[in-house]
Amino acid sequence: EAGVAQSPRYKIIEKRQSVAFWCNPISGHATLYWYQQILGQGPKLLIQFQNNGVVDDSQLPKDRFSAERLKGVDSTLKIQPAKLEDSAVYLCASKHSSGANVLTFGAGSRLTVL
Amino acid sequence: TQLLEQSPQFLSIQEGENLTVYCNSSSVFSSLQWYRQEPGEGPVLLVTVVTGGEVKKLKRLTFQFGDARKDSSLHITAAQPGDTGLYLCAGAASGGSNYKLTFGKGTLLTVNP
Repeated sequence: EAGVAQSPRYKIIEKRQSVAFWCNPISGHATLYWYQQILGQGPKLLIQFQNNGVVDDSQLPKDRFSAERLKGVDSTLKIQPAKLEDSAVYLCASKHSSGANVLTFGAGSRLTVL
Repeated sequence: TQLLEQSPQFLSIQEGENLTVYCNSSSVFSSLQWYRQEPGEGPVLLVTVVTGGEVKKLKRLTFQFGDARKDSSLHITAAQPGDTGLYLCAGAASGGSNYKLTFGKGTLLTVNP
């Protein structure tokens, strides 16, 4: 079974620039999560999708962050404009709708904002 | 907001030593999970505990869920350099399609040969 794919693995941008991250979850996993992990901290949930609908985006800074999962499969997370404090690893995870509550994480996309 | 406090934040020990990592909260969770994360990788699930007082063993790792389902501990016996990594606890408040995890800040473990 292929894992959760994320790209790019690394991105360096200057503040006020924009960036987009892509995630392809495990085939058949209807639930998709984007987490932000700042260095030295645990992952923080940004947004949760169920198929192409948003379940929870209460912690997403909507003035600069957006995410979509138009066809209910892969997803894109965008930051525009980026701030210094957005430097972090952005982790995508997916879960099957039924059965065991097990999240499978991708390797993450590391963002550095200069 | 449900918060999970992990302690210690950093731990550096010699190979062969034992250690315990703690995860505490004022909230009740329906289940609690422990993950291990290596540099440049995403967290990988180690165990899920569901029942208050539950104890699970995974080779040299022992996981315990508190009776009130608010806290948990991870004990490693005879630590090895391969155990080095960031250990994260995560609590779940619901299940199904609304399932989401709240993570602690993690314990960074270094096991020196």
